[in-house]
Amino acid sequence: QVQLQESGPGLVKASETLSLICSVSGYSISSGYYWGWIRQAPGEGLEWIGTISYSGSTDYKPSLRSRVAISLDRSKNQFSLRLTSVTAADTAVYYCARVFVGCTGSICSDYMDVWGKGTAVAVSS
Amino acid sequence: DIQLTQSPSSLSASVGDRVTITCRASQNISSYLHWYQQRPGKAPRLLIYAASSLQSGVPSRFSGSGSGTDFTLTISSLQPEDFATYYCQQSHSSPEFTFGPGTKVDIK
Repeated sequence: QVQLQESGPGLVKASETLSLICSVSGYSISSGYYWGWIRQAPGEGLEWIGTISYSGSTDYKPSLRSRVAISLDRSKNQFSLRLTSVTAADTAVYYCARVFVGCTGSICSDYMDVWGKGTAVAVSS
Repeated sequence: DIQLTQSPSSLSASVGDRVTITCRASQNISSYLHWYQQRPGKAPRLLIYAASSLQSGVPSRFSGSGSGTDFTLTISSLQPEDFATYYCQQSHSSPEFTFGPGTKVDIK
């Protein structure tokens, strides 16, 4: 059974860099699938941040592209998120997720089929 | 950019009720529409993918329909554990994903 677990500091100072790790168990991140980060500000909806493929190619939300980086650590079976120059607007619960990209039978689509439990990050001034 | 709207934004229902939630896309997204459930304090959970395919392990009281711009999620008989917020998500613009604003289902 595939499981994902986020880890990282719960408090980051404004203007500094937020760094989170997603540890994956039950599946090798190098074998397939894509891997993504999604966040949820307090009382708000879900916001996709970015995705990395098993081969290391990345895609980011355009409005965050200048500040975000997602990378793989194949030796540890982890992927990570870095978000620079954070502000209070980056305060959120951050989720990592496995992204299915492809076809099941004749049905082709991309969606997040396994999620971590999330980790709360607050940005302090 | 593809925008998703959901209606209603919230609803109150009783156990056993049939509940329908609508998601509308700002342009044709074919069947690239998925539904998630988020219980309070928990991570989202995939319910329906590609508009109408039930994710493994999800109860059959959940169903999805639609294509193009209009989609629905139906819960045929609401159970206590179904009180949650439901989000639609489009992947037509993959690799960029967007979510709808959510529909909160609470107890009448």
